[in-house]
Amino acid sequence: GAGVSQSPSNKVTEKGKDVELRCDPISGHTALYWYRQRLGQGLEFLIYFQGNSAPDKSGLPSDRFSAERTGESVSTLTIQRTQQEDSAVYLCASSSRAAGTPELFFGEGSRLTVL
Amino acid sequence: SQKIEQNSEALNIQEGKTATLTCNYTNYSPAYLQWYRQDPGRGPVFLLLIRENEKEKRKERLKVTFDTTLKQSLFHITASQPADSATYLCAALLSGSARQLTFGSGTQLTVLP
Repeated sequence: GAGVSQSPSNKVTEKGKDVELRCDPISGHTALYWYRQRLGQGLEFLIYFQGNSAPDKSGLPSDRFSAERTGESVSTLTIQRTQQEDSAVYLCASSSRAAGTPELFFGEGSRLTVL
Repeated sequence: SQKIEQNSEALNIQEGKTATLTCNYTNYSPAYLQWYRQDPGRGPVFLLLIRENEKEKRKERLKVTFDTTLKQSLFHITASQPADSATYLCAALLSGSARQLTFGSGTQLTVLP
């Protein structure tokens, strides 16, 4: 498709389980971002990938969170041993550094509920 | 620490009026500010970008200003419509080395018919 695609759109899991969230960026976009948005709150930066450079992991809240990206394609955000405070919408965005305006194109998000 | 602040969590206005939303930043002056719209259950959608050397930018009924002296950006929607009801987010790079946008917490706008 033409936009950023995220899956699953909704995930309900039990505390302590691991979850994987997937993001397909817009083709050709070299930059990819993960943000977290808790209910009624703003976007919290998690991690940033740019091409083949080392990712900026400065926003990851704990070592239970990790993310990977192969080249300039799909990214996976993994949360291990989920906790109730991990419940949020996880948003992925991509952008083209080649573009004149570095706007972010967001997916619709993956809503995670930890019971 | 560097922050982006949107000073009202909710704003209600009457249809046809101009909505004005405020975004303030501290200390570091960003090279540009961006504004996004977010509808419930959806991802944010980019609206406008204004650079530090631009005083004003317009797009249809939208107007954004950037005042580096006041460290503030104003976002205006003229002739507002109920369909403009959404949460509006401002965002910027908050340091010269930052590569990720920092977002404000958003202002929820409701346009009443």
